[in-house]
Amino acid sequence: GENVEQHPSTLSVQEGDSAVIKCTYSDSASNYFPWYKQELGKRPQLIIDIRSNVGEKKDQRIAVTLNKTAKHFSLHITETQPEDSAVYFCAPPPPNTGGFKTIFGAGTRLFVKA
Amino acid sequence: DTGVSQDPRHKITKRGQNVTFRCDPISEHNRLYWYRQTLGQGPEFLTYFQNEAQLEKSRLLSDRFSAERPKGSFSTLEIQRTEQGDSAMYLCASSPGGHLGTEAFFGQGTRLTVV
Repeated sequence: GENVEQHPSTLSVQEGDSAVIKCTYSDSASNYFPWYKQELGKRPQLIIDIRSNVGEKKDQRIAVTLNKTAKHFSLHITETQPEDSAVYFCAPPPPNTGGFKTIFGAGTRLFVKA
Repeated sequence: DTGVSQDPRHKITKRGQNVTFRCDPISEHNRLYWYRQTLGQGPEFLTYFQNEAQLEKSRLLSDRFSAERPKGSFSTLEIQRTEQGDSAMYLCASSPGGHLGTEAFFGQGTRLTVV
């Protein structure tokens, strides 16, 4: 996507371990930071998002942390399970779009080995 | 079903033919997006609408592609003179208006195969 970098591109972890995916963006005015999950053959679906007025948000085994100064936000998955295997996309609104446009990063393919 | 729906789910066409896809967004959503996704890649932005106004069209999109949302509800994406490189999953998504940055809800997609 435009001015969005996602790392790593591929991540393989053992079941039960944690996984962290980082998304770097360029627009300091961005105020919405979502993560989408896409399982094989299925549509992308939002799993967690955060707005710029908070630094961290958690929902059971997943969390998102935001560092506005460094312009990156990260997805954290704890106690990974095989069903977490999927492609994960960050989608911060690109610069000069008023926040209306949804553009996806290149994605991180997560493999959770049982 | 109150989600985003797309029709058809699958389309096989011969090279050079025109195809049209339809997307029905969630009824109260103002914004509607079209994406293209090929195997192993992320959704590639094509265009989006705010109500009936097409606000942006990707510069990667050739003139063979056109999209409409005539009444601010459903949308159509037409591809003229299809090429084999047009083979992909075409995804539609919608999101509420009135707030900067909101979740995009995706349809199941239309898988196009050009032979």
